[in-house]
Amino acid sequence: GAGVSQSPRYKVAKRGQDVALRCDPISGHVSLFWYQQALGQGPEFLTYFQNEAQLDKSGLPSDRFFAERPEGSVSTLKIQRTQQEDSAVYLCASSREGTGGSEAFFGQGTRLTVV
Amino acid sequence: GQNIDQPTEMTATEGAIVQINCTYQTSGFNGLFWYQQHAGEAPTFLSYNVLDGLEEKGRFSSFLSRSKGYSYLLLKELQMKDSASYLCAADHNAGNMLTFGGGTRLMVKP
Repeated sequence: GAGVSQSPRYKVAKRGQDVALRCDPISGHVSLFWYQQALGQGPEFLTYFQNEAQLDKSGLPSDRFFAERPEGSVSTLKIQRTQQEDSAVYLCASSREGTGGSEAFFGQGTRLTVV
Repeated sequence: GQNIDQPTEMTATEGAIVQINCTYQTSGFNGLFWYQQHAGEAPTFLSYNVLDGLEEKGRFSSFLSRSKGYSYLLLKELQMKDSASYLCAADHNAGNMLTFGGGTRLMVKP
């Protein structure tokens, strides 16, 4: 596609509910990143894929967070048993190859509100 | 761990020049990105510096000093539309990690 597409744009979840956030990266981009951005803060790294391999998941805040990219293109970030502190914008970015001089293109994000 | 610092907020006047500073401490540093983010929108790429020195691109310029762990973004001839958050991000860990600072919210006043 023309850019990184994320869905849904907005999600309201009741505390304890499971949610799944989808990211469609730019076609052919090898690298895919997930970030969490709280209001007024910079994006915080969650996890990184190179093709289908999850090379780094050190930023995932707890074992309730899980990400996958089974065929090396579309990725899903799943949050189980959502808590109020999970409320944030979840940004997905893709780049041609890693980030070494390769610009990362961001989607518009999914704004998750846990009530 | 990784540490990237930039001022939280800055205010400047339309038509003026503003410099937004960023200091970083990361392992395996490759280069330094600057992104612009308007409220409620995705970050968009402004610049990438891998070598020391100043790179100019229209009204925006970015500077890097690898030895000092320091970068700045220079915005000239400020316009109201430049009001946004400016994110400094270090590309490190052999290109497998992009770590952001907290962002600098710039307000341009008439």
